[in-house]
Amino acid sequence: GPKVLQIPSHQIIDMGQMVTLNCDPVSNHLYFYWYKQILGQQMEFLVNFYNGKVMEKSKLFKDQFSVERPDGSYFTLKIQPTALEDSAVYFCASRDSHDTEVFFGKGTRLTVV
Amino acid sequence: SQWGEENLQALSIQEGEDVTMNCSYKTYTTVVQWYRQKSGKGPAQLILIRSNEREKRSGRLRATLDTSSQSSSLSITGTLATDTAVYFCATNTNTGKLTFGDGTVLTVKP
Repeated sequence: GPKVLQIPSHQIIDMGQMVTLNCDPVSNHLYFYWYKQILGQQMEFLVNFYNGKVMEKSKLFKDQFSVERPDGSYFTLKIQPTALEDSAVYFCASRDSHDTEVFFGKGTRLTVV
Repeated sequence: SQWGEENLQALSIQEGEDVTMNCSYKTYTTVVQWYRQKSGKGPAQLILIRSNEREKRSGRLRATLDTSSQSSSLSITGTLATDTAVYFCATNTNTGKLTFGDGTVLTVKP
């Protein structure tokens, strides 16, 4: 079936450094998402993105976070600077319409040390 | 939060038993989606049930939706050990925001 690819699968980074998480969404999809999940806890909504713009973002989407998808390439989540509490698994997701099936990637495990 | 406090639970059952998981929500949703997440993987959608549907089936799965009480359930008949996972329901705004509930940790013992 359709696949969302996330690169890298693991990333370890020093606190204060910048990190970019990459997502290759399903090719004909128009809606894109980032979620944050701390081990054993709920999937927390960060942001959704449509037509080149952020549609909604949660309180977890701090000022240090940004998203973009330049020219239909990767959908990226950038954190600059990173903090210890940013350590989590970040899931990217996409879908073709606002209320259809959402496809998730396998996640990027980010460890900030 | 748009979720009821009763969502977080853990269930442990024997293979072959049936199980029903429930969720309730507080805000309007166009659809309720049920997801399964296995350890180390991303969520995978199991069933999507729309606000004008009361029930949806897919194989051993059955989802119900009661918009008047803002609640949904997911039933699995004849559970298998491979059904062991965390099950989430998720609501959806008409702008496409998908929000997950706390989830149910289901353990099916062989």
